[in-house]
Amino acid sequence: GNSVTQMEGPVTLSEEAFLTINCTYTATGYPSLFWYVQYPGEGLQLLLKATKADDKGSNKGFEATYRKETTSFHLEKGSVQVSDSAVYFCALSDQGGNKLVFGAGTILRVKS
Amino acid sequence: DAGVTQSPTHLIKTRGQQVTLRCSPKSGHDTVSWYQQALGQGPQFIFQYYEEEERQRGNFPDRFSGHQFPNYSSELNVNALLLGDSALYLCASSARDRDDTGELFFGEGSRLTVL
Repeated sequence: GNSVTQMEGPVTLSEEAFLTINCTYTATGYPSLFWYVQYPGEGLQLLLKATKADDKGSNKGFEATYRKETTSFHLEKGSVQVSDSAVYFCALSDQGGNKLVFGAGTILRVKS
Repeated sequence: DAGVTQSPTHLIKTRGQQVTLRCSPKSGHDTVSWYQQALGQGPQFIFQYYEEEERQRGNFPDRFSGHQFPNYSSELNVNALLLGDSALYLCASSARDRDDTGELFFGEGSRLTVL
């Protein structure tokens, strides 16, 4: 079945450092890919998405490119802030977009 | 524009009891999905409701059941609670006929603790 694998955390960075969180997927067909973020005590919020190969999703300084050849959707940000501290989930849409399959999540901690 | 709302936010039950969680979807959305998020894990799909019927189901036992009402709101019921049912239960909504990308809007969740 479809699955998502994320790099294990926690990832600890200093403010203004460069961020990469790796995400690879296994899927049949052409799923949409997502990054969701979960701040402490809150539900999931969509951070960005890409719906087809070579699409780049971007939001709030975060970017991810849908790479079909490497089945990857790595999340990047050039300069992280303390407020970016959260759990980041990579996900893909399964079975015609009816449900999402999530990775296990990566904790990001940014220190000032 | 109200987003997805869930109730209650927290609840504590004992083993063997039953629980009902409630969800109101985002305005304009007609499809509701439920996910279970165990501590330190990603959300796992439980089931999805559209037009008041269960359309898809994940790998969860029959103790987990649901309902969707004509106003698109939904309930998740769990019977014969086990300690392992302790988790954050997330409701997500979408508009089936207007977005086929799979994007979901999530509520803040109901945190269930089973003692």
